[in-house]
Amino acid sequence: LAKTTQPISMDSYEGQEVNITCSHNNIATNDYITWYQQFPSQGPRFIIQGYKTKVTNEVASLFIPADRKSSTLSLPRVSLSDTAVYYCLVGGDNQGGKLIFGQGTELSVKP
Amino acid sequence: DAGVIQSPRHEVTEMGQEVTLRCKPISGHDYLFWYRQTMMRGLELLIYFNNNVPIDDSGMPEDRFSAKMPNASFSTLKIQPSEPRDSAVYFCASGSGTSGPSTDTQYFGPGTRLTVL
Repeated sequence: LAKTTQPISMDSYEGQEVNITCSHNNIATNDYITWYQQFPSQGPRFIIQGYKTKVTNEVASLFIPADRKSSTLSLPRVSLSDTAVYYCLVGGDNQGGKLIFGQGTELSVKP
Repeated sequence: DAGVIQSPRHEVTEMGQEVTLRCKPISGHDYLFWYRQTMMRGLELLIYFNNNVPIDDSGMPEDRFSAKMPNASFSTLKIQPSEPRDSAVYFCASGSGTSGPSTDTQYFGPGTRLTVL
């Protein structure tokens, strides 16, 4: 099972770039890495997904080194509305791979 | 599409009672997931289905929990009998992974907040 480890919490200020790293030393060959965002009283919401190297979309970038044992979610120029819990998800394949959510990183953005 | 629909949104029951949570996935999605979230344990995968067939139920805490998916548009999670430690927010999510359950986005419902007194 690809267990994941993330920082419990992070603080930042508006306009800064925030990088959240997730460790997944036992990631399997077929595993993808997905990040979700969760606001209070809501279900998690997809942010970005990748397999290797770098992926970028309109809200974030995901950096994955060659060994794939970790990944870093990068949020450019955060705002107060980015205050949320961010989860790293690793796993899943057609053989019924286990899906493991990390414990989540509580990001607090201050003015 | 209305997204993933869950009912009820809130449920308060007494210990020993049967609880049934319902989920309607997004049309066309072939994966359906049930999660439980608590402060102590975070977000836990309970079970997931692919094309209405349970694939992995190893996260189901014990025999008091059961889940069914009789068709592509409906799933239930049942707790019988319920206990106070079952109090949590239960999320249903659906997805359409092309080569596995994590290769595409999971869309989460709003959750059902269950309180067992």
